[in-house]
Amino acid sequence: QVKLLQSGAALVKPGASVKMSCKASGYTFTDYWVSWVKQSHGKSLEWIGEIYPNSGTPNFNEKFKGKATLTVDKSTSTAYLELSRLTSEDSAIYYCTRKYNAGPGFAYWGQGTLVTVSS
Amino acid sequence: DTVLTQSPALAVSPGERVSISCRASEGVHSYMHWYQQKPGQQPKFLIYEASNLASGVPARFSGSGSGTDFTLTIDPVEADDTATYFCQQSWNDPRTFGGGTKLELK
Repeated sequence: QVKLLQSGAALVKPGASVKMSCKASGYTFTDYWVSWVKQSHGKSLEWIGEIYPNSGTPNFNEKFKGKATLTVDKSTSTAYLELSRLTSEDSAIYYCTRKYNAGPGFAYWGQGTLVTVSS
Repeated sequence: DTVLTQSPALAVSPGERVSISCRASEGVHSYMHWYQQKPGQQPKFLIYEASNLASGVPARFSGSGSGTDFTLTIDPVEADDTATYFCQQSWNDPRTFGGGTKLELK
């Protein structure tokens, strides 16, 4: 079955960068866009952007351009999200997701990576 | 961006029917999807394209609507349905989520 396994929690200092991973299994990694979603504590969800593993083509929510970088490693079926110049506003849970086979919507979710920005 | 507005919270008794609304600030055709999130868990996919039940989701859940007004209905509600429910649109860029409706059982 489809699984998205994310890297563990990270504690990072303000101004630094963090890179998290999402390892996909149970399907052909290059066939589906991988999206990333941010959930700030106790708040709603924000779509950061998506990447098509076959080509490496990313699409971003304008809000996250310059903040987020999306990459993939096709050899390991892993997608990456890197966040730069971190502030307290970046403290959140970050999820990787994949769309449904039969239609739009985020059918599959990783377990989330908690990022805490603190000195 | 397309703003999706949901009521913050609802309280219902087990066995009752509950409708959770989501209003979009601009039309999204039928490209509205619904998720359930329990504390400490990732969201779970329930409904896609307004009214289509995702695989494995109980038939107690249903969705309706088009354009700007959408509804997720649970009938009958069970104790396990205590959660926050989010709507999400994928017609306009960027994709956006509603603020979530917290469903509590009396």
